[in-house]
Amino acid sequence: DQQVKQNSPSLSVQEGRISILNCDYTNSMFDYFLWYKKYPAEGPTFLISISSIKDKNEDGRFTVFLNKSAKHLSLHIVPSQPGDSAVYFCAATSGNQFYFGTGTSLTVIP
Amino acid sequence: GAGVSQSPSNKVTEKGKDVELRCDPISGHTALYWYRQSLGQGLEFLIYFQGNSAPDKSGLPSDRFSAERTGGSVSTLTIQRTQQEDSAVYLCASSLVRGPTEAFFGQGTRLTVV
Repeated sequence: DQQVKQNSPSLSVQEGRISILNCDYTNSMFDYFLWYKKYPAEGPTFLISISSIKDKNEDGRFTVFLNKSAKHLSLHIVPSQPGDSAVYFCAATSGNQFYFGTGTSLTVIP
Repeated sequence: GAGVSQSPSNKVTEKGKDVELRCDPISGHTALYWYRQSLGQGLEFLIYFQGNSAPDKSGLPSDRFSAERTGGSVSTLTIQRTQQEDSAVYLCASSLVRGPTEAFFGQGTRLTVV
């Protein structure tokens, strides 16, 4: 049973525009959420996270929003750059193992 | 190095052979995870070690898969009698146990079973 879901396998955005990647989860016990970025032939790298006590966390061009009532989080990238093209994984944890979504492949078109 | 190290980076093996994949976690990280990513798929959880506790093996796909973690540090994932469907990138990650924290991934081992 997939506890973390990313329903959009791919997304294309023009350079300079906003990229919005979405993630839904089912387990209300999750208290920490993360986004990872993965380039081909490399391991995922941590991008940004948010605790369940917050609804927004911002780091430069990256902002993560958490809507606990909807069990939904999103990653906003603005402005999008060609170097942001990668697969983005959403993850959630309640202190033990991490549960990952299936990823969204983002392509930023120059 | 300071990161998670996996070896080998690539492994080609014949169907039916056994393989061992190695992971060196970040020093001081007591939690260690194995995931795999098959072509076009997401990250599939395999096994999780936390300190001296019994590992969570709930993600291992069959009894051909096993993993151990010696001395709370290095981990080895063993796949016996490999099958073509075992072909995937096997990723190891480690994290601190206490508090909300991120897991750090190695570069992965690309396993190809021919």
